[in-house]
Amino acid sequence: DGGITQSPKYLFRKEGQNVTLSCEQNLNHDAMYWYRQDPGQGLRLIYYSQIVNDFQKGDIAEGYSVSREKKESFPLTVTSAQKNPTAFYLCATTQGWNTGELFFGEGSRLTVL
Amino acid sequence: AQSVTQLGSHVSVSEGALVLLRCNYSSSVPPYLFWYVQYPNQGLQLLLKYTTGATLVKGINGFEAEFKKSETSFHLTKPSAHMSDAAEYFCAVSSTSGTYKYIFGTGTRLKVLA
Repeated sequence: DGGITQSPKYLFRKEGQNVTLSCEQNLNHDAMYWYRQDPGQGLRLIYYSQIVNDFQKGDIAEGYSVSREKKESFPLTVTSAQKNPTAFYLCATTQGWNTGELFFGEGSRLTVL
Repeated sequence: AQSVTQLGSHVSVSEGALVLLRCNYSSSVPPYLFWYVQYPNQGLQLLLKYTTGATLVKGINGFEAEFKKSETSFHLTKPSAHMSDAAEYFCAVSSTSGTYKYIFGTGTRLKVLA
């Protein structure tokens, strides 16, 4: 089945450690996104990529990094510079602006101990 | 700049009652508008979307929404609530200018009372 796979579903890390969240899609979509979700704040855009080897910062990119070496993959690294990394992270894709909707993965919950 | 406002972070309705979740947007260009539903610890699922054409949009699970340009609104309704409708609902807007960016509201948590 076509879809978006995020892993791991749950992740714990100690302060000062980097962690990488995986997002893989087999929908053949060009654009991919990372959102952060905190209670009462909706979804906030971290990074997005319209095409392979290109990506743009979103509204809250500080302390995060991404890469887009393959069309199917858009991993997010939460670095030790991110001051409050505990959150639910959502990966999404879309075919393009003329199609419209975002398709979401199941999310990854990161807890910093 | 585009923005989305959802009035009411929490809404409670009785089972069988009308569901009305409010969404207002601001956009300098005609927007694409979306409603998504999220169940606990899951991703978002599209309920319905407005791109062009008919302003009354029907979605899954009996939900519908009406695009009202004069009121800059896109409220979500369902005639009769079911217990399974309890979830968080997000309104979103995307730019039609090709920037690939989507703006989400802060969400409304719907509680359905037996």
